[in-house]
Amino acid sequence: QVQLQESGPRLVKPPQTLSLGCTVSDDSINSGNYYWSWIRQPPGKGLEWIGYIYYSGSTYYNPSLKSRVTISIDTSKNHFSLKLGSVTAADTAVYYCARGQVIGSAFDYWGQGTLVTVSS
Amino acid sequence: DIQMTQSPSSLSASVGDRVTITCRASQSINSHLNWYQQKPGRAPKLLIYIASSLQSGVPSRFSGSGTGTDFTLTISSLQPEDFATYYCQQSYSNPLTFGGGTKVEVK
Repeated sequence: QVQLQESGPRLVKPPQTLSLGCTVSDDSINSGNYYWSWIRQPPGKGLEWIGYIYYSGSTYYNPSLKSRVTISIDTSKNHFSLKLGSVTAADTAVYYCARGQVIGSAFDYWGQGTLVTVSS
Repeated sequence: DIQMTQSPSSLSASVGDRVTITCRASQSINSHLNWYQQKPGRAPKLLIYIASSLQSGVPSRFSGSGTGTDFTLTISSLQPEDFATYYCQQSYSNPLTFGGGTKVEVK
């Protein structure tokens, strides 16, 4: 089964840019059946969808974060990335990468998550 | 944005109980509703997609129903491994949104 693995710094200073990567274990990143998302969860709180990217490079971002978010993809490396700019303490969260089914838009595989703390 | 409201926010139950969790959308989402289970320190796990389809490998004691604005997740006989937090998620329109979660605790 497919595995996703997040990577990147665990501590970011405000107002720097948070950068995370996600490596996908199989070639499904090249399939038109899936899209690739970032989702976050502040400690003790619920889930917030950040945005997604399709294998073609088309993206959609949550309007609440759109001005600060960039998601990119490198299908040759089975990898996609998240950049979130001008971070504040409110961006402290566990960040998950996840695979979404185009049909149904359910997230069927998730990375283990990585806690990113924003603090000076 | 479509708002997703879950109820209750928490519940206490015993092994063997039938448990029902409700999710209400702020507008009709047809059947574009998914359910996830999350245990502490773990990523969410997909249980149900398109309101009532059971994800592969998920026990049949989990079921989903509903359409339009009102949906339910039912656990027919609660097992020890089912104590967790459950989230609904609408996939009808962007931005994709989640409910606030329902924590199922030991009674």
